[in-house]
Amino acid sequence: ETGVTQSPTHLIKTRGQQVTLRCSSQSGHNTVSWYQQALGQGPQFIFQYYREEENGRGNFPPRFSGLQFPNYSSELNVNALELDDSALYLCASSFDRVYEQYFGPGTRLTVT
Amino acid sequence: KNEVEQSPQNLTAQEGEFITINCSYSVGISALHWLQQHPGGGIVSLFMLSSGKKKHGRLIATINIQEKHSSLHITASHPRDSAVYICAPVQGAQKLVFGQGTRLTINP
Repeated sequence: ETGVTQSPTHLIKTRGQQVTLRCSSQSGHNTVSWYQQALGQGPQFIFQYYREEENGRGNFPPRFSGLQFPNYSSELNVNALELDDSALYLCASSFDRVYEQYFGPGTRLTVT
Repeated sequence: KNEVEQSPQNLTAQEGEFITINCSYSVGISALHWLQQHPGGGIVSLFMLSSGKKKHGRLIATINIQEKHSSLHITASHPRDSAVYICAPVQGAQKLVFGQGTRLTINP
């Protein structure tokens, strides 16, 4: 059984660019949640996908969007990057919406 | 006021000491996670509990839903326990609300 994986590990982008981050769920999990963790802060909930549908969203603007694929892997897309988007982006998968979440190692995004 | 408050924010102790980290929350929840985050970012879920107490090795987590309070205890602490410990109540069916974390340092 493989764990949750994320790619890339690190990424540097410039302001105004677009970025796509990827997450592969743990085997058998149908729910993926995305979180943003700014330096020195606790993670903030971005959104959750359950069976390919968005199932809840935190206080993030529409330029943060996502997808979940039939194999339950997921993407986080951020358009028009801003300096404040620099953070560690974490995804977590779970067997179902209310079950324990298993976290990936994160993607560290730096926006210059 | 934050929805989730952890205390202490920083804790330094000697190897072998009994450690307690507290979490109070103001939102209605269905469950609560205790998470461990090491330098570099990786997060590990230690517990998810919705009532009572859970024990895993030297770790014990308790929750009192009525008082909106949870605690994480570490017995016989070890330097490898040094990490940030995060309390994350589950709001509704899906949203984790994270505390700021407690930075624990265990000295040999």
